[in-house]
Amino acid sequence: EAQVTQNPRYLITVTGKKLTVTCSQNMNHEYMSWYRQDPGLGLRQIYYSMNVEVTDKGDVPEGYKVSRKEKRNFPLILESPSPNQTSLYFCASSFGGTSTDTQYFGPGTRLTVL
Amino acid sequence: GNSVTQMEGPVTLSEEAFLTINCTYTATGYPSLFWYVQYPGEGLQLLLKATKADDKGSNKGFEATYRKETTSFHLEKGSVQVSDSAVYFCALIYTGTASKLTFGTGTRLQVTL
Repeated sequence: EAQVTQNPRYLITVTGKKLTVTCSQNMNHEYMSWYRQDPGLGLRQIYYSMNVEVTDKGDVPEGYKVSRKEKRNFPLILESPSPNQTSLYFCASSFGGTSTDTQYFGPGTRLTVL
Repeated sequence: GNSVTQMEGPVTLSEEAFLTINCTYTATGYPSLFWYVQYPGEGLQLLLKATKADDKGSNKGFEATYRKETTSFHLEKGSVQVSDSAVYFCALIYTGTASKLTFGTGTRLQVTL
């Protein structure tokens, strides 16, 4: 089944404790990205990647890192999480990264930083 | 910059009622427009899309027409069901921004019997 998977689905952590949220897709997509969803703000892009070893900042990159060492994986790293990073996070992928390509979303990771 | 404005929710309707969720956008050039749906506890799913002016996207009884003259992409359904209860997001991609989706704030729809 074609899908985007994220782990963990739920995470409660404390300020300053490094964490990684994994994202994997099995559709051989070149384009992957991370969004965060906050009430009243919709979804905002954090980082995106056009291909392996090619990443760039989205609208809200502060406090996050990403890497794209393999085509299928695009982990999101919070080196020193803070409470304002409490949010619902979605990974997405698409075939070629053009405006007409359909983006497929993962099920989401709900992160709480205490 | 690019932006999407959706009507505030929540929207509460009785089953079989007509649904309209308004969406307007601001963008330079000619964006592609999308409606995504998020069912409770799930990720976003593409509901429909339109890539050029006057295109009509449709899926599962939902429709939206890309209106360049009014910069709108309103979502409509003639007869909603309880199973349509979800949050609906209008979004755009501007061709020069490498597939970054710009989302509206979402509209929660609650359909009751």
